[in-house]
Amino acid sequence: LAKTTQPISMDSYEGQEVNITCSHNNIATNDYITWYQQFPSQGPRFIIQGYKTKVTNEVASLFIPADRKSSTLSLPRVSLSDTAVYYCLVGPSGGYQKVTFGTGTKLQVIP
Amino acid sequence: GAVVSQHPSWVICKSGTSVKIECRSLDFQATTMFWYRQFPKQSLMLMATSNEGSKATYEQGVEKDKFLINHASLTLSTLTVTSAHPEDSSFYICSARADYSNQPQHFGDGTRLSIL
Repeated sequence: LAKTTQPISMDSYEGQEVNITCSHNNIATNDYITWYQQFPSQGPRFIIQGYKTKVTNEVASLFIPADRKSSTLSLPRVSLSDTAVYYCLVGPSGGYQKVTFGTGTKLQVIP
Repeated sequence: GAVVSQHPSWVICKSGTSVKIECRSLDFQATTMFWYRQFPKQSLMLMATSNEGSKATYEQGVEKDKFLINHASLTLSTLTVTSAHPEDSSFYICSARADYSNQPQHFGDGTRLSIL
C-alpha cells in the first residue's frame, strides 16, 4: 500500500484559494489518488479522484504531475464551512482492494 | 448517487452488551465493504474488509471474535461488537465501493459507540 504524507495543519483566510499537497513516492501503476473531507463526528465525504494530469469538479481541482509521486488538492475561495480534515488516499480503485488513511490535513479557515 | 447508510448513529449501552451496527449501500452493489475505527483527533484505522458471501479479512491486532462481521448481501454488512467494554467506545465508520472499477469508497456517517 502506498504511504502518503500531508501537512498536519493549514490555516487560510476566507475567500482565498487553498492548495494541499500530498506526497506518495511509492505509488503503483494501477493506483488512483482520492481526496476526502471529514467534519467532526461524520464519515469522510468524497471530494475528487484522479489518475494523472488534472481533474476538476464543482468543488475542487486535483493536480497530478507526470511522475505521480505527489498530488495537490485545490479548493477555490474557501469559506468557514470548509474547515475540516482533508485526507489523501492512494490505492487501487474499485473492487476489494483496501486503502489506508494517513494523518490528514486539518484546514482551519479564518474569518 | 453512491449513498452509504449507517445505523445507528449513536449508541450508549452497558458493559457486557453486544451492539450491532448496520452498513447499507443504498443505490449500488458492493461485494466489498470496509469497517474503520476512529479515536478522537486521530485518523481512521482500518479494522476489517467485509466480503459478501465469505469471511471477513481482519487487520492485524483486531480481534475477530470481538468484532463479528457479516456481509449477508451485496448491499448490507453488519459489525457486531460482542460483550462490549468501555475500551471499545469509539467512532465506527463503514465504507462501500461499487464492484466495477475506478470507483472510490463512499462512507457512512459513522456510529458513536459509548460503553458505560
